[in-house]
Amino acid sequence: DAGITQSPRHKVTETGTPVTLRCHQTENHRYMYWYRQDPGHGLRLIHYSYGVKDTDKGEVSDGYSVSRSKTEDFLLTLESATSSQTSVYFCAISERPDYGYTFGSGTRLTVV
Amino acid sequence: GENVEQHPSTLSVQEGDSAVIKCTYSDSASNYFPWYKQELGKRPQLIIDIRSNVGEKKDQRIAVTLNKTAKHFSLHITETQPEDSAVYFCAASINGNNRLAFGKGNQVVVIP
Repeated sequence: DAGITQSPRHKVTETGTPVTLRCHQTENHRYMYWYRQDPGHGLRLIHYSYGVKDTDKGEVSDGYSVSRSKTEDFLLTLESATSSQTSVYFCAISERPDYGYTFGSGTRLTVV
Repeated sequence: GENVEQHPSTLSVQEGDSAVIKCTYSDSASNYFPWYKQELGKRPQLIIDIRSNVGEKKDQRIAVTLNKTAKHFSLHITETQPEDSAVYFCAASINGNNRLAFGKGNQVVVIP
């Protein structure tokens, strides 16, 4: 899809290690979001950003941090990965919070 | 905060029949209601949306209706086809907040 890429697409990591996922956009959208998706839970918001260096917590932010030093990049860091953080992570971008989101292709993270 | 609920959680329909998924929301100030389709292993994609100043919107075989008084909105798929099989997520804007509230998703299965 146009304008948003996530990296890596797949990652396996060990418990206790730090992990950083990257979301990159070329749309110059102000709003960026990180979600995790697990069976039976739908899309759960981890953190989001409403501008460079402006971020806020979502419903499931414990154990995660984010940074946005420039418009195009939004990084999600798992400080010390745990097995409960095994999930599919989606990034989304939006021009405005009341506009449709465009989602990235997702990152499948497995913590062993 | 805004609470969005979807019903039914799973819907099976015969190919060619219609499917209807209903979402309820709690915040009467919500003014934007998108629907996303997620095929297995893929990203969620926006398929249709509606704003609070409109009661119905159509796009080929799909339509969305909004009842602001009852605080619910519905996705209608006519002449269902196997490729309509997917998980569908509804969402609602959160007044005064920079994000959407998502429902947990409906699995739609179209039986050939």
